[in-house]
Amino acid sequence: GNSVTQMEGPVTLSEEAFLTINCTYTATGYPSLFWYVQYPGEGLQLLLKATKADDKGSNKGFEATYRKETTSFHLEKGSVQVSDSAVYFCAGRVGANNLFFGTGTRLTVIP
Amino acid sequence: NAGVTQTPKFQVLKTGQSMTLQCAQDMNHNSMYWYRQDPGMGLRLIYYSASEGTTDKGEVPNGYNVSRLNKREFSLRLESAAPSQTSVYFCASSERSSLGSPLHFGNGTRLTVT
Repeated sequence: GNSVTQMEGPVTLSEEAFLTINCTYTATGYPSLFWYVQYPGEGLQLLLKATKADDKGSNKGFEATYRKETTSFHLEKGSVQVSDSAVYFCAGRVGANNLFFGTGTRLTVIP
Repeated sequence: NAGVTQTPKFQVLKTGQSMTLQCAQDMNHNSMYWYRQDPGMGLRLIYYSASEGTTDKGEVPNGYNVSRLNKREFSLRLESAAPSQTSVYFCASSERSSLGSPLHFGNGTRLTVT
């Protein structure tokens, strides 16, 4: 079946540290890949996306590159801020209505 | 900039009671979705509507029904609530049912069934 596996949390970093959250996917065909972010008490918001191999999605200092050879879409940020504290979800989409999510990784950034 | 609006935000039900969760979007999106979010399980699709007038089952449809009332509104009904339906429910919409079209989510309804 189709699925994404993402790094289990929680992850705690100091402000200005480098962030990596790993995500790998298993899918029939070539999925579009997404990272969503969820702040407390809110719904998920799209952070970035990539629709084909070697595409790089980027937004708000976050980046992720679609790697077909390793079936990965790891999220990175060079210098995290306290305001980045949230839960991050990796997701894939292979069909019109087949969007599948990882279990989420909680990030806490301490000053 | 309302986006996707869900009501209510919180609800407590007794086992066997019924209720309808409401969802409306103002982005003129064609597709709408209902998900539930449970700890350690990510989001699971309950039902979706690819376009006005159509609905289909997702991964976990048992115990739920939906209605796509018009292009804007997509409601989720629990006919006889069970404790296993305690969860946070999210409505989402997307412009198209295509691979690259992202979902836009509401802020969720936290439901507790006692």
